[in-house]
Amino acid sequence: DVKVTQSSRYLVKRTGEKVFLECVQDMDHENMFWYRQDPGLGLRLIYFSYDVKMKEKGDIPEGYSVSREKKERFSLILESASTNQTSMYLCASSSSSYNEQFFGPGTRLTVL
Amino acid sequence: AQSVAQPEDQVNVAEGNPLTVKCTYSVSGNPYLFWYVQYPNRGLQFLLKYITGDNLVKGSYGFEAEFNKSQTSFHLKKPSALVSDSALYFCAVRVLNRDDKIIFGKGTRLHILP
Repeated sequence: DVKVTQSSRYLVKRTGEKVFLECVQDMDHENMFWYRQDPGLGLRLIYFSYDVKMKEKGDIPEGYSVSREKKERFSLILESASTNQTSMYLCASSSSSYNEQFFGPGTRLTVL
Repeated sequence: AQSVAQPEDQVNVAEGNPLTVKCTYSVSGNPYLFWYVQYPNRGLQFLLKYITGDNLVKGSYGFEAEFNKSQTSFHLKKPSALVSDSALYFCAVRVLNRDDKIIFGKGTRLHILP
């Protein structure tokens, strides 16, 4: 059974903290994605990666960075968390853009 | 601009009745279209996709979708709704540019009334 896992289901951080969200997939997929999901706004793409050590900005990259040192792992970093980054964060992977994305269960991040 | 729209925030359907969740798109070239479902406190799950071929696509859990090129629509349908179909549904379209990414609609919440 294919699987995308995320390091935490719930996370509470304080303003200004550095936050790491980890995502691991076991399907040997080339492509990995980070989205945030907010009510009424749907899913918005933060960053994506089509290969190891490669990254591309999505629609809302400001305040975020990513790291992909290994094929199976894609990390999202909030350098200095702010309250407007309180959201649900979803990681996904796919074998190609022709194929469906597989999603992790999500991390609900609250920044106080 | 390339985009996907789900015109209804919420759809209510009585159990046993047919359901339709609407999606329209605007892309350059031939579209690649997807439907996903999100159950409470879970990630998104893939339902079905249209790449090419038959305009009627069948997917998981008895769902199907009809690709209509002239109306630029890809509506999700099911002949007989179940209470367990209550969830948040997302339409998505592949964007044909150098980034080759997927754009998601804002989602439609489906309520099946017992």
